[in-house]
Amino acid sequence: QVQLVQSGAEVKKPGASVKVSCKASGYTFTSYDINWVRQATGQGLEWMGWMNPNSGNTGYAQKFQGRVTMTRNTSISTAYMELSSLRSEDTAVYYCARELVDIVATGNDYWGQGTLVTVSS
Amino acid sequence: SYELTQPPSVSVSPGQTARITCSGDALPKQYAYWYQQKPGQAPVLVIYKDSERPSGIPERFSGSSSGTTVTLTISGVQAEDEADYYCQSADSSGTYKVFGGGTKLTVL
Repeated sequence: QVQLVQSGAEVKKPGASVKVSCKASGYTFTSYDINWVRQATGQGLEWMGWMNPNSGNTGYAQKFQGRVTMTRNTSISTAYMELSSLRSEDTAVYYCARELVDIVATGNDYWGQGTLVTVSS
Repeated sequence: SYELTQPPSVSVSPGQTARITCSGDALPKQYAYWYQQKPGQAPVLVIYKDSERPSGIPERFSGSSSGTTVTLTISGVQAEDEADYYCQSADSSGTYKVFGGGTKLTVL
């Protein structure tokens, strides 16, 4: 069965970086884009960007450009999202989700369980 | 930056029809997607490409599009449908994706 399993919760100090992993199983990792979405407590969903695991191509939301990097290791079917220069406003649950893009996108049909990142001094 | 606008809340009684709207200037050009999220859980895709329903999603969930507004309709609402619902689409260039602010559906 399809699964996206994310790394565990992180506590970081302001100014630090965090790297969240998302291990895929049950499907061909390189056949689906990976989107990263975050959600602060009690707030809505916020799209951060996408990565094509086959090509490594990425696209980032303007808000995060310069601070976010999305990468992958195809040998272990794992995607990564690294966010730098953390501030308290980055405290949120971070989700990875897969999406089939065949001419047009078909939506994020499987999601990871979420990773809580807390930024606090 | 591009925005999608949803009503903050919608309330319906069990068995009634709930309609949740999402407005955005690029919606005539870009598909919309709808996600259901219950407390403490990851979102679930309930509608893709405006009106397509993924396998396993009940038939009472449907989507439609008209101009700059897309609508998620839940017919015969059940108590288990109480959740937050988010629309998602992209800007006119298709480069940047965006979520609406979310709508809390309350089943009275």
